[in-house]
Amino acid sequence: AQTVTQSQPEMSVQEAETVTLSCTYDTSESNYYLFWYKQPPSRQMILVIRQEAYKQQNATENRFSVNFQKAAKSFSLKISDSQLGDTAMYFCAFLSGTYKYIFGTGTRLKVLA
Amino acid sequence: NAGVTQTPKFRVLKTGQSMTLLCAQDMNHEYMYWYRQDPGMGLRLIHYSVGEGTTAKGEVPDGYNVSRLKKQNFLLGLESAAPSQTSVYFCASRGGEVGELFFGEGSRLTVL
Repeated sequence: AQTVTQSQPEMSVQEAETVTLSCTYDTSESNYYLFWYKQPPSRQMILVIRQEAYKQQNATENRFSVNFQKAAKSFSLKISDSQLGDTAMYFCAFLSGTYKYIFGTGTRLKVLA
Repeated sequence: NAGVTQTPKFRVLKTGQSMTLLCAQDMNHEYMYWYRQDPGMGLRLIHYSVGEGTTAKGEVPDGYNVSRLKKQNFLLGLESAAPSQTSVYFCASRGGEVGELFFGEGSRLTVL
């Protein structure tokens, strides 16, 4: 069975600094998708970034980038120039061809002024 | 531009009462999902549907039933609510180029 592990329940970072959130997963599939979702205090789940496993190039979206290491089954999220609005819970998620998304337990990030 | 809409947003129930959560999406998505979110547990899949008239069990289906009579609607029912079902419930639909999930705003359910 596929699993997703986020080993950092809570993290904090100073405004304008860089922070990396860790995610590891376990699967025997060769083709799959990985996602990072953000859940601010408003509770709305927002897609931050996604990565297709067949693509070697790491995905980037403005200040957000990933370090995807397929062999190590690692998918970390880097947030550069952290802003107060980045304060949120972040979930890593995995999708293969079974239609089921597997979510990690989340990392609560607090950006400090 | 509604996207995924859940009703109600908040509800308090007594043990043994029943209720239905409604999820509606206007994006013509085939796949729809119900998750529950509990502290330290992430999002756990309750039931899902891959198309109108179909439903399937997820990770934690016990105590819940679902129906997908119309493509745009996915209903989650609690026949006899229990305190263990106190949670925040999220509906989501799948679409987009690489199957990203679009979420509703969540429904907070408290069972006393």
